[in-house]
Amino acid sequence: QSVLTQPPSASGTPGQRVTISCSGSSSNIGSNYVYWYQQLPGTAPKLLIYRNNQRPSGVPDRFSGSKSGTSASLAISGLRSEDEADYYCAAWDDSLSGYYVFGTGTKVTVL
Amino acid sequence: QVQLQESGPGLVKPSETLSLTCAVSGYSISSGYYWGWIRQPPGKGLEWIGSIYHSGSTYYNPSLKSRVTISVDTSKNQFSLKLSSVTAADTAVYYCARDLSTSNPIWGQGTMVTVSS
Repeated sequence: QSVLTQPPSASGTPGQRVTISCSGSSSNIGSNYVYWYQQLPGTAPKLLIYRNNQRPSGVPDRFSGSKSGTSASLAISGLRSEDEADYYCAAWDDSLSGYYVFGTGTKVTVL
Repeated sequence: QVQLQESGPGLVKPSETLSLTCAVSGYSISSGYYWGWIRQPPGKGLEWIGSIYHSGSTYYNPSLKSRVTISVDTSKNQFSLKLSSVTAADTAVYYCARDLSTSNPIWGQGTMVTVSS
């Protein structure tokens, strides 16, 4: 039921740059902030990016976010083995009475 | 520091109502923020269920709205989720969280709820 579409998987070797896309619409990404979460197996999601491109304190600057129109992307530079996880974009959607929506999720594998 | 802890039955029968509580420590719910619930079926992605402001105003996922009620008890500093008429599709890890639209959302550790007879 998610209205934010991500590729199911992405991969790279250590040190490489990986980019994950998140496609939405005018009612969500097009008019609201985008957030990015990292989820390691068996743990709660951790916020990586808020307000499109802001990093919470403690998040390495290897992680960066951007937004253009109704799409957003997360880039991981200098890929490390500990970056192997699931990544989700999220945004508020103004349609109906308003609701928060997560992306479909992307599994990042470090080869 | 602020901590959230989910509690409730780990097993619910089909057609019954799932009830979970999220106890908040280190912060007074009545001071502000939205407080919400998110779930994740085994092996699947995250699904936002809904959220409530300390004043009681609520927002719900349209796909679940007819079955969901989120309430807050400021006297106990906790908020609750009720999901009615559950089926196997409602089997998931349920997380509570403080305001996902901030730079510092706080998540509980999650609790697994299985719907089965």
